[in-house]
Amino acid sequence: DQQVKQNSPSLSVQEGRISILNCDYTNSMFDYFLWYKKYPAEGPTFLISISSIKDKNEDGRFTVFLNKSAKHLSLHIVPSQPGDSAVYFCAASDIYNNNDMRFGAGTRLTVKP
Amino acid sequence: DSGVTQTPKHLITATGQRVTLRCSPRSGDLSVYWYQQSLDQGLQFLIQYYNGEERAKGNILERFSAQQFPDLHSELNLSSLELGDSALYFCASSAISGANVLTFGAGSRLTVL
Repeated sequence: DQQVKQNSPSLSVQEGRISILNCDYTNSMFDYFLWYKKYPAEGPTFLISISSIKDKNEDGRFTVFLNKSAKHLSLHIVPSQPGDSAVYFCAASDIYNNNDMRFGAGTRLTVKP
Repeated sequence: DSGVTQTPKHLITATGQRVTLRCSPRSGDLSVYWYQQSLDQGLQFLIQYYNGEERAKGNILERFSAQQFPDLHSELNLSSLELGDSALYFCASSAISGANVLTFGAGSRLTVL
């Protein structure tokens, strides 16, 4: 069951421009959302998160936006850097189910110099 | 180095065989999670343990089993292997059960021929 969907398998942007990665979810019980970043031959690492009581959370070049009514979140990276090239996973968790966390399929971001 | 250690890194075996994947959580973490990532798929939650007890179960096949030992390391046993079991298997850990942020290991890549 694909409760968390990342419909774009890949994204390519120029260095210095904005990268926007999108994620949709279907389970209205999800109340916490996260983005993980994965480099080759490494495990995913936590990047940024947002609680369902907020609509925006910012950490340096990374900002996550949450639209609960649309069940949609996005990750903005500004400005994009070549080192940001990685696979980005969107995840959502449900506090009523032991914070059962569901992941999307990932989006491969390539930032070109 | 995330502090979560997974062995082996790579494993090649034949259909019908049985393998064991091992995970040592980050120091101080009591909870261990297992995820499977098949080609072009997201991270599929398999099972979670907290301090030796099973806490949550996801899409884990009956041919698969896991346990967490008193020293908190965990093993994932995969039996009667099929070609479709070829995947990356990630272990993650957290200090508490149902944490929102997980620390992942680098994964064990299983290839079933």
